[in-house]
Amino acid sequence: DTAVSQTPKYLVTQMGNDKSIKCEQNLGHDTMYWYKQDSKKFLKIMFSYNNKELIINETVPNRFSPKSPDKAHLNLHINSLELGDSAVYFCASSQDSGWGRPQHFGDGTRLSIL
Amino acid sequence: QKEVEQDPGPLSVPEGAIVSLNCTYSNSAFQYFMWYRQYSRKGPELLMYTYSSGNKEDGRFTAQVDKSSKYISLFIRDSQPSDSATYLCAMRTNAGKSTFGDGTTLTVKP
Repeated sequence: DTAVSQTPKYLVTQMGNDKSIKCEQNLGHDTMYWYKQDSKKFLKIMFSYNNKELIINETVPNRFSPKSPDKAHLNLHINSLELGDSAVYFCASSQDSGWGRPQHFGDGTRLSIL
Repeated sequence: QKEVEQDPGPLSVPEGAIVSLNCTYSNSAFQYFMWYRQYSRKGPELLMYTYSSGNKEDGRFTAQVDKSSKYISLFIRDSQPSDSATYLCAMRTNAGKSTFGDGTTLTVKP
């Protein structure tokens, strides 16, 4: 039973398209995150939701829009995909947004833009 | 300047060696310090987590934090080929924002 699961695992698409990545956690956690990991392995937070409410929104283009229908799900929709969006996108969750809560990561969605 | 700087590697050691992985940081707001291990094509996996200066030990792993020098380390004793992975340091403020290092790729040769 995967704790944090993302779909799809691989996504290959053309520039200009719109795509969505889905994330679900079965840990009963309140807080979920989206991270972007580039080709140099640098991991950078994009968004964080706590109980469906946005609490962290880093400097991310407006083309990226997260949606949390309930606290177990956090989806990421990307409009007008660009070459620079090619990366691995990781979803993560933690018990809550409190101090020092460790995060549990999914296995990532590998997005390639042609 | 990045908030978190991690020794870039890659690092290659023989089986049984002691490995030292290091990060420095510049933001005094960081209060929580973590080490993650990431195998190829997998998500990061939390290894160690601490919030105070000093040492924390868990099996073959020891995390060391020196807040006065803004320096953290992860030591792996009796390294095994299964320890081959990328290791990421991460630091978190009280506001809940985590910042990661760039990662150090470790290879332990049998």
